Amino acid sequence: QVELVESGGGVVQPGRSLRLSCTTSGFTFSSFGMHWVRQAPGKGPEWLAVIWYDGSKKDYADSVKGRFTISRDNSKNTVHLQMTSLRADDTAFYYCVRPMAVAGSAFKFYFDSWGPGTLVTVSS
Amino acid sequence: DIQMTQSPSSLSASVGDRVTITCRASQSISNNLNWYQQTPGRAPKVLVYAASTLQSGVPSRFSGSGSGPEFTLTISSLQPDDFATYFCQQSYSTPYTFGQGTKLEI
Repeated sequence: QVELVESGGGVVQPGRSLRLSCTTSGFTFSSFGMHWVRQAPGKGPEWLAVIWYDGSKKDYADSVKGRFTISRDNSKNTVHLQMTSLRADDTAFYYCVRPMAVAGSAFKFYFDSWGPGTLVTVSS
Repeated sequence: DIQMTQSPSSLSASVGDRVTITCRASQSISNNLNWYQQTPGRAPKVLVYAASTLQSGVPSRFSGSGSGPEFTLTISSLQPDDFATYFCQQSYSTPYTFGQGTKLEI
């Protein structure tokens, strides 16, 4: 079955960097775009970034543009999120998410598989 | 950015009740609207996608309706497992925004 597992979270000081990884299995990774979504305690989820199936295109939320970089390694079925210049408001659970296209539609999709999340705490 | 506004933010109900949660988009999103359920300590789980299509394995007491900009999620007869937090999410354009959530409590 489809499995996504995030790693790399932890406690980090403001201004420092952290790299999250998401290891996947159970599906043809190279055929899917992949997303990162985060959720601060007690808040709704916040979409952060997407990378196309072949890595050719990337898009980011304004809140992380210029600070976070999404990348992937299709030979290792892994997607990464490099986070720099971390701030206290980046504290959240970070989820790796696989989208699923709606049948018969080229553009409609939903998030059908989520990892368990990894907690990032930015604090001095 | 497209803003997603859910109402109510919290709701008290009893087993067997029928409940409706509303989500309004700040602009037209056609039917690019998905609903998720989240229980404490777990990742969200999709219930309904494309506004009205029930995800495989989701009980038929859940249903979604509407088209941009207003959508509803209805639970026809609440069961104990349904007490959770529900989020809507638009998949029309980036950033793919979520509603702030509706917490369904006993």
